[in-house]
Amino acid sequence: DVKVTQSSRYLVKRTGEKVFLECVQDMDHENMFWYRQDPGLGLRLIYFSYDVKMKEKGDIPEGYSVSREKKERFSLILESASTNQTSMYLCASRLKGFGGTELAKNIQYFGAGTRLSVL
Amino acid sequence: AQKVTQAQTEISVVEKEDVTLDCVYETRDTTYYLFWYKQPPSGELVFLIRRNSFDEQNEISGRYSWNFQKSTSSFNFTITASQVVDSAVYFCALSEAYSGGGADGLTFGKGTHLIIQP
Repeated sequence: DVKVTQSSRYLVKRTGEKVFLECVQDMDHENMFWYRQDPGLGLRLIYFSYDVKMKEKGDIPEGYSVSREKKERFSLILESASTNQTSMYLCASRLKGFGGTELAKNIQYFGAGTRLSVL
Repeated sequence: AQKVTQAQTEISVVEKEDVTLDCVYETRDTTYYLFWYKQPPSGELVFLIRRNSFDEQNEISGRYSWNFQKSTSSFNFTITASQVVDSAVYFCALSEAYSGGGADGLTFGKGTHLIIQP
């Protein structure tokens, strides 16, 4: 089974702090993603990485950065946390694919989420 | 741009009733994938099903069934004989089918909160 582990379930930080959210997957997936989930807004993509040291902005990258130094680990960084970044953060990984019908490909597997409160 | 609409914000039914969750999508792509995920109170999104745009066969897995209709851009999810453990938020999602090794995220609907009352 694919396992995506997020280092913290709950975090409380202060405005202006630098915050690191860590995500590790154990299935050698090339692609990794960070989403945030807010009531009434659903899940929105922040950043994704299609391989080591690669990163692409998603729909809402402002205020965030990411790091992918190793294949299994994808970090989300809040350079200077603000109250509007209070949210649930979800990490996902995916096996790289080329379309087609292979069942294992193009399915994102999610971690349990980190609920971040910025005070 | 892609869009997924789940018009039902919340549904409440009594256990053993059948319930259908609606999903309507928009995309300009001719090849794409549709998904359903379940999010129980614990928070983790659990993958339920992936459907390719070129495969319109309906699928049944135990009490779960999915109806994909390209003509109406819908991918509805039915739970038969619902149980309390089915209580969760259910998300429908869409992604492009891609080739060449690129990556892209999922476009999610806003979710339907399903409450199964005993």
